[in-house]
Amino acid sequence: DIVMTQSPDSLAVSLGEGATINCKSGQSVLSSSNNKNYLAWYQQKPGQPPKLLIYWASTRESGVPDRFSGSGSGTDFTLTISSLQAEDVAVYYCQQYYSTPPTFGQGTRLEIK
Amino acid sequence: EVQLVQSGAEVKEPGESLKISCKGSGYNFANYWIGWVRQMPGKGLDWMGIIYPRDSDTRYSPSFQGQVTISADKSISTAYLQWTSLKASDTAMYYCANSINAVWGSWGQGTLVTVSS
Repeated sequence: DIVMTQSPDSLAVSLGEGATINCKSGQSVLSSSNNKNYLAWYQQKPGQPPKLLIYWASTRESGVPDRFSGSGSGTDFTLTISSLQAEDVAVYYCQQYYSTPPTFGQGTRLEIK
Repeated sequence: EVQLVQSGAEVKEPGESLKISCKGSGYNFANYWIGWVRQMPGKGLDWMGIIYPRDSDTRYSPSFQGQVTISADKSISTAYLQWTSLKASDTAMYYCANSINAVWGSWGQGTLVTVSS
């Protein structure tokens, strides 16, 4: 299995400020055949299933606010929230879908400072 | 609209068997992978396994191999997760999700399984 490691485990940010979550994979998730990174980001709020935010490392899912962006390639990835809103309080997970089974990072809890 | 609708919450005793379901609609169920994810109370997401309904090709995560059975009935667009002998440690929320064009984008609402004597 590909091990996914996120940092930090938790993060407190003031409203309107930016937030950055990092994700590192144990091996590259970049496909040489299509030059795509098989990396997704999810948001999970209490009592809800995970919600897909970003896929192919940087493609925003339809309906996701543009304050969410993803970057990175190979083994190192970042989720950035440009201006934190109250509704962004959640746990964020990265996931690789390069190999089977897909695997998640341990999650990063984002709170308001 | 792609939808995955899961069966309702279950309360079981240790040693009992259980089968929960996930019904897909709004897409060609047989042609896309369906997966199951466990979330223990207050914990993160653990991928259990995936199945391709068209030919029932099934892949398990090592931690769940032999502990559960994943199956699907493409005629009724439904995937299943089954236990033969539940343990207290199986208490968790279980989600199904589908993979269209490799991306796991649609998720069920979750099924809470509680195992307690």
